[in-house]
Formats: sequence, C-alpha cells, structure tokens
Amino acid sequence: EVQLVESGGGLVQPGGSLRLSCAASGFTFTSYDIHWVRQAPGKGLEWVSVFTTASNTFYPDSVKGRFIISRENAKNSVYLQMNSLRAEDTAVYYCAREALNNNWFDSWGQGTLVTVSS
Amino acid sequence: QSALTQPASVSGSPGQSITISCTGTSSDVGGYNDVSWYQQHPGKAPKLMIYDVSKRPSGVSNRFSGSKSGNTASLTISGLQAEDEADYYCCSYAGSSYVFGTGTKVTVL
Repeated sequence: EVQLVESGGGLVQPGGSLRLSCAASGFTFTSYDIHWVRQAPGKGLEWVSVFTTASNTFYPDSVKGRFIISRENAKNSVYLQMNSLRAEDTAVYYCAREALNNNWFDSWGQGTLVTVSS
Repeated sequence: QSALTQPASVSGSPGQSITISCTGTSSDVGGYNDVSWYQQHPGKAPKLMIYDVSKRPSGVSNRFSGSKSGNTASLTISGLQAEDEADYYCCSYAGSSYVFGTGTKVTVL
C-alpha cells in the first residue's frame, strides 16, 4: 500500500524556519517525483514545490528563494526547508506523489499543519 | 501564476447532474491535456478523481467525467449522491509548475 507520512509541522514565529519531512513507503521511491502542496485554513490548494527523479527542483514565485526541497533516497524521504516564514505561509502542508511520468497526483499524505504567528 | 477560476459553489438534488467549470489560460489549461480533478472531504486529504482531462482512476465511479474546450475544463457528476458532497479542485500543469483551481463546494440538497 502506498503511504506518505508528513511530519515536522508546528508553531513558528514570523521570520523563523521549519523543516518538514515526508516519509514514503509501499512503492519504488526513486521512480517518482514528489511534490509539496499546501492549503491555508479555509482556502484552496496551492502547489509549493517538486523534486523530480532527475534531481530537478521547481517552485512557484510565492516561495522561491525561501523554501528548499530536498530528497534522501536512502531514507525514502523528501524534505521541505522553509525559511523567512510569513503569516501567509500558515497552512496544512501535504506531500503528494506524482503519477509515473505524468502531471497529476495519485497519492497524498494526511498533511502537517504549519502555523506562523507571534 | 494565478489560480484557475472555479465557481465557489454548485448544488443539486440527489440523482441530478451538475457540472463544475475550471477556467485558465493558454499557458495552463489551454496549453496542456494535463488537467486533473480532486475531491476533498472536510479534514481529509485530496483524492484524485479525473486525470488527463477525462480519464478515471480505477475505483472512481463512472458517474464522474471530465472534458475540456479551449481554456476551460469541466467536471460533471451525474446521478448525484449524498457522498459526493465535498470540495472539488481542478489542477493543470503549466510548464514546470502546477496551478490549482479556486475550489468548488458541492452541496447535495
């Protein structure tokens, strides 16, 4: 069974940093691109980043230069280092598996909540 | 990259059909056949319902169907059931990035 489990969320002050983890199991991790998608309270989904199997990383302008995605294949894990956090980064952060060589998300974790507040 | 435009809410009675639109631009919806749709119940993770504009993953009811014309994609739910009450989001590939729709709350009357 495919499983994605996020961890590392919590309360952080504006300007602070936080690192999220996504642990994967039940599939050949090295064959899939893994994404982060977030959802602010009561709001819609927003794509945050991707780490591809070719070791490419991409981000939207809203987080570029502040967030860094990384991957550790030996641990079947993807990480999201979030720096210079702002109130508007408050959200549930999901990791999601991109379907094999396709541009859609076939499996999602349960999410981890990040709250940026003083 | 701006969010794709969806109606905030759509409602229908059990057994009826409803359609949710998802309007983007030629840089996303209109430029790729990589449109997907996700269902999200309160407090739960999104679930894939449609991919590649109109394909259904195994296990998803054939009451769900998708289509696209120009810069607008659509999700149709036929034979509406109480369990279909949820939020629905479209998503499009946009060339090294992805953009989601604003989301539509479906209410079963």
